[in-house]
Amino acid sequence: QKEVEQDPGPLSVPEGAIVSLNCTYSNSAFQYFMWYRQYSRKGPELLMYTYSSGNKEDGRFTAQVDKSSKYISLFIRDSQPSDSATYLCAMDTGRRALTFGSGTRLQVQP
Amino acid sequence: GAGVSQTPSNKVTEKGKYVELRCDPISGHTALYWYRQSLGQGPEFLIYFQGTGAADDSGLPNDRFFAVRPEGSVSTLKIQRTERGDSAVYLCASSLNEDSPLHFGNGTRLTVT
Repeated sequence: QKEVEQDPGPLSVPEGAIVSLNCTYSNSAFQYFMWYRQYSRKGPELLMYTYSSGNKEDGRFTAQVDKSSKYISLFIRDSQPSDSATYLCAMDTGRRALTFGSGTRLQVQP
Repeated sequence: GAGVSQTPSNKVTEKGKYVELRCDPISGHTALYWYRQSLGQGPEFLIYFQGTGAADDSGLPNDRFFAVRPEGSVSTLKIQRTERGDSAVYLCASSLNEDSPLHFGNGTRLTVT
């Protein structure tokens, strides 16, 4: 079993929809939680970075962390075709060696 | 400002050859990381530098892989006796310090034939 599980998708939604992306993890030592967006043939781009349980909002993006359930989520409001990409969750125990999920491919249809 | 720069963007080599992949981090970033990403997977950690020294090389798969950062800025990942299984995108990232998030380059796509 992988330390971080993420549904690979693809997830297809109409423009303007609310998107929910999720990861579960098994290592209770993870303290830092991140979401990256990766376009084809590009490097991962940091979207959200959180340390504690709870919600963090940045524009159309909201990250949720529930350490008791070992579950993290990313919500995208008013989704746009330009949001079409692969979304990677990543976690860190503090060692700086991030553990990534396998990514969820999102397609936003115009 | 300029992001993390990786060269070459693509590298094709024959099995058994030696390759070097270069990473120029964001100016002023003291921490530098190498990851490897296979098709359809998330990046996997290889090695982390703080300054010139390797703070954690636990992700290097075997002794064919080696990385250096002699002056605390540019880093080179070196792979000896390449194998077809080494084919992947090699990503470099840097961060301002050990408490800051990572910023990735666009990677070097290595193909071993």
